[in-house]
Amino acid sequence: AQSVTQPDIHITVSEGASLELRCNYSYGATPYLFWYVQSPGQGLQLLLKYFSGDTLVQGIKGFEAEFKRSQSSFNLRKPSVHWSDAAEYFCAVAAGGGSYIPTFGRGTSLIVHP
Amino acid sequence: SAVISQKPSRDICQRGTSLTIQCQVDSQVTMMFWYRQQPGQSLTLIATANQGSEATYESGFVIDKFPISRPNLTFSTLTVSNMSPEDSSIYLCSVSTGADTQYFGPGTRLTVL
Repeated sequence: AQSVTQPDIHITVSEGASLELRCNYSYGATPYLFWYVQSPGQGLQLLLKYFSGDTLVQGIKGFEAEFKRSQSSFNLRKPSVHWSDAAEYFCAVAAGGGSYIPTFGRGTSLIVHP
Repeated sequence: SAVISQKPSRDICQRGTSLTIQCQVDSQVTMMFWYRQQPGQSLTLIATANQGSEATYESGFVIDKFPISRPNLTFSTLTVSNMSPEDSSIYLCSVSTGADTQYFGPGTRLTVL
C-alpha cells in the first residue's frame, strides 16, 4: 500500500518570499502524485498532478512541483508567495491505472506574514 | 474537471440524531467518494459509492452508521446516524472523472453537541 509523509506541520514565510513544501511517498511502482490546497472553511482544490512524462509539473496559482524518483519526493514550490496562499496543503499519492483511491498526507499549514 | 455542491454547508446537531448530506455533481460520474476530515487531521475515506451497486466501506466505517445512497450518476447522499460529539468533522464528497483525478466538493462542517 502507498503512503505519504509531509514532514512539516506548519511553515511560515513572508509575503514575497519563495516557498517549498515537502512531500515524500512510499510506493513500489511509479505513483500518481497530487497536491491539493484547502483554504479556511473550503473544500480541496487540485493544484497540480503528476502521472508521467516531464518531472517538473506546472499547476494553478503559480505553483509547480518536481517528481524525484531517486528521493521518492514530490515537493511543491512557488517563487513568490502571496498572502492569499495561506492555507492547508495536502500531498496525495495513488496507484493509478484506472480505479484508484489516493492516500493523503496529514497536510502542511502555510502561514504568510505581511 | 467537475463542479460539486454539497448541502448543507454546515450544521449543528444534537447527540443521537441523524443528518443527511447531499452531494450534487454537474456531470455524470461513475465513482463518488465520501471522506471525513476530523479537526486538524487529514482526509479519511469513508466509502466509495458507485451507481447501481452497494457502497464499499473502508475499515472502521459501517453501513449502519454511515448509510449511503447513489440513485443516479450525478447525486449521492451520506447519512451520519445516531450522532455523537466524536462525529464532529468536515464531510467531503469527491468524484473521479475517469482521468485518475479526484475533485472535491466544498464540504459539510458538522458539529454535534
